[in-house]
Amino acid sequence: EAGVAQSPRYKIIEKRQSVAFWCNPISGHATLYWYQQILGQGPKLLIQFQNNGVVDDSQLPKDRFSAERLKGVDSTLKIQPAKLEDSAVYLCASSYTGTANIQYFGAGTRLSVL
Amino acid sequence: QQQVKQSPQSLIVQKGGIPIINCAYENTAFDYFPWYQQFPGKGPALLIAIRPDVSEKKEGRFTISFNKSAKQFSLHIMDSQPGDSATYFCAASLGNYGQNFVFGPGTRLSVLP
Repeated sequence: EAGVAQSPRYKIIEKRQSVAFWCNPISGHATLYWYQQILGQGPKLLIQFQNNGVVDDSQLPKDRFSAERLKGVDSTLKIQPAKLEDSAVYLCASSYTGTANIQYFGAGTRLSVL
Repeated sequence: QQQVKQSPQSLIVQKGGIPIINCAYENTAFDYFPWYQQFPGKGPALLIAIRPDVSEKKEGRFTISFNKSAKQFSLHIMDSQPGDSATYFCAASLGNYGQNFVFGPGTRLSVLP
């Protein structure tokens, strides 16, 4: 079984630029999560999708962050414009509806904002 | 009320020792308490999890102890090995869709050979 795929693995941008991250969940997993993990901290949930609907986006900074999950499979997380404090690893995870709490994580995208 | 507190921040033990990591929560609506293990450059991976209707769960060398009245839970690693050196996160969530998933700040464990 293939794992959660994320790309790119690394991204360096300057502040005020825009950036997008892509995630392909495990096949058949209806629930998809995006997390932000700042160095030395635990992951913070940004947004949770159930199929292509949003279950929780209460911690997503909606003035600059957006996410979509078209057709209930792949997902894209965008930051526009980026700030220095957005430097972090962005993790995508997915879970099967029947066991929604068992999340499988991708390796993440490390973003550096200069 | 959505926070999960975790201690210690870092832990060093000798091979064969039994590191213990503690977590505490406030939201009594949480009904699922997993532990994740993360190696550098990798995403977290589920290690073991417990629901509040049991007080202890053991899987291999890993044991969760759960105290519902104190709103605390802990991870014990028996016969720790250098390969267990990683960052460990406790977490909590609620509901059928694992809503409000929140992680603790993490404990960096080093097991010396």
